[in-house]
Amino acid sequence: DAGVTQSPTHLIKTRGQHVTLRCSPISGHKSVSWYQQVLGQGPQFIFQYYEKEERGRGNFPDRFSARQFPNYSSELNVNALLLGDSALYLCASSLVLGGRSYNEQFFGPGTRLTVL
Amino acid sequence: AQSVTQLDSHVSVSEGTPVLLRCNYSSSYSPSLFWYVQHPNKGLQLLLKYTSAATLVKGINGFEAEFKKSETSFHLTKPSAHMSDAAEYFCVVSPGNAGNMLTFGGGTRLMVKP
Repeated sequence: DAGVTQSPTHLIKTRGQHVTLRCSPISGHKSVSWYQQVLGQGPQFIFQYYEKEERGRGNFPDRFSARQFPNYSSELNVNALLLGDSALYLCASSLVLGGRSYNEQFFGPGTRLTVL
Repeated sequence: AQSVTQLDSHVSVSEGTPVLLRCNYSSSYSPSLFWYVQHPNKGLQLLLKYTSAATLVKGINGFEAEFKKSETSFHLTKPSAHMSDAAEYFCVVSPGNAGNMLTFGGGTRLMVKP
């Protein structure tokens, strides 16, 4: 079975531009979470979505937004890019049972975003 | 609120010697705790998890961790290091058995000398 997939693998943008990152969860997983990993640090939680609704949000500015599609895939959007947005963006999926998501999350390989 | 402190940013061991990576946590709830490993240019892989069952948890590749509530610790150990264990290790906390947010520690880089 395929794991979590993310696209693109690498991306280079300039300050002020907009970026869209994509994630497909493991088959059968209905919850998707996004994390930002700045070089040399642990990942930080950005968003969680399941049943197409935002279920949690970390301490990130409104320039960051996301959505989930009926097939449970997800997009992360970042507007007005800053140099500090350069990071590895990780997507993770997990099961949803009884209306609640399990916290055992399976991670994709990430998208490396460089902002110049 | 929850937080994780990994006490060593770098650990260096010789191949065949024991590994100890230290982690302390803080959580307002009965936590779930995890260790993830990240090899260079690879995604995060789950090593093991604690979810309020046995306090000694066995994971993949010979790793294990012990949950000590009184010490709020969840240290990762392995009896004998292998060269392939060289990687970044993250201790992670999450509230309860379900929930939406994993809180990561800052990571410990494990180096294994031949």
